Amino acid sequence: DAGVIQSPRHEVTEMGQEVTLRCKPISGHDYLFWYRQTMMRGLELLIYFNNNVPIDDSGMPEDRFSAKMPNASFSTLKIQPSEPRDSAVYFCASSLATRTGGYGYTFGSGTRLTVV
Amino acid sequence: QKEVEQNSGPLSVPEGAIASLNCTYSDRGSQSFFWYRQYSGKSPELIMSIYSNGDKEDGRFTAQLNKASQYVSLLIRDSQPSDSATYLCAVNIRGGYQKVTFGIGTKLQVIP
Repeated sequence: DAGVIQSPRHEVTEMGQEVTLRCKPISGHDYLFWYRQTMMRGLELLIYFNNNVPIDDSGMPEDRFSAKMPNASFSTLKIQPSEPRDSAVYFCASSLATRTGGYGYTFGSGTRLTVV
Repeated sequence: QKEVEQNSGPLSVPEGAIASLNCTYSDRGSQSFFWYRQYSGKSPELIMSIYSNGDKEDGRFTAQLNKASQYVSLLIRDSQPSDSATYLCAVNIRGGYQKVTFGIGTKLQVIP
C-alpha cells in the first residue's frame, strides 16, 4: 500500500485566494482525520470522518474552512478566503477502528501552506 | 490545564543511555494512548500504543501507563543518534477511541 497520499506537498498562495488540499487514505481504513500543525500550537484536530460521514468538526477554526469526503478514497480540505494566519502544515491521517481501540493513525506527508 | 501535557525539552541524553519521556493527561476516562515519533520536516510515525495499566515493550521501546496517576511514559533504551526526534504523546479525550489529542511533543537529542 502506498500509504496516505496528500497533495500538494507545498502551496504558496496570496491572501484571499481559495486553497484546496487533497488526501487519499489507506484503502480499507474507515476513519480519516485532518490536522494542522504549527510550532506554537502543535497538532490540532480540525475534523474527522467515519465511513465518509463527518463526525466532529469542532476544531475547524471558522467558516472559511470546509472539508468533504465524497467517497472512501478521497477527501478535501478547503480554505476560502485564505489568510496569513492559516500558514501551517496540514496533515491528513487515516486509521482502522477495532472493538478494543484504534490501531493508531497513519499520517500522510503533509501539505506545507504559506499564505502571503 | 492542557488536555495532554509534555515538556517540550530539549531532552539531551548521551548515546547508549536510557531516555525517559513523560506525558500527563486530564481525562480520567481516557483509554487509548499512543506515542509518535516525528523527525524534523517529516510526518508523525506511530511507534507504540498502550491501553492497559503497566508496561508494554517493543524492542528498545517501553511504554508505561498509570491510569490512576493519569500518566504515560516512553522509555528508549540504548539511545542512538538516530532516535533524535520529537516524540508526541496522544490520548483519546472525551470518549471515542479514534479521536485523540496530541501533546506539544518533547524534542529528544541523543549526543554521540
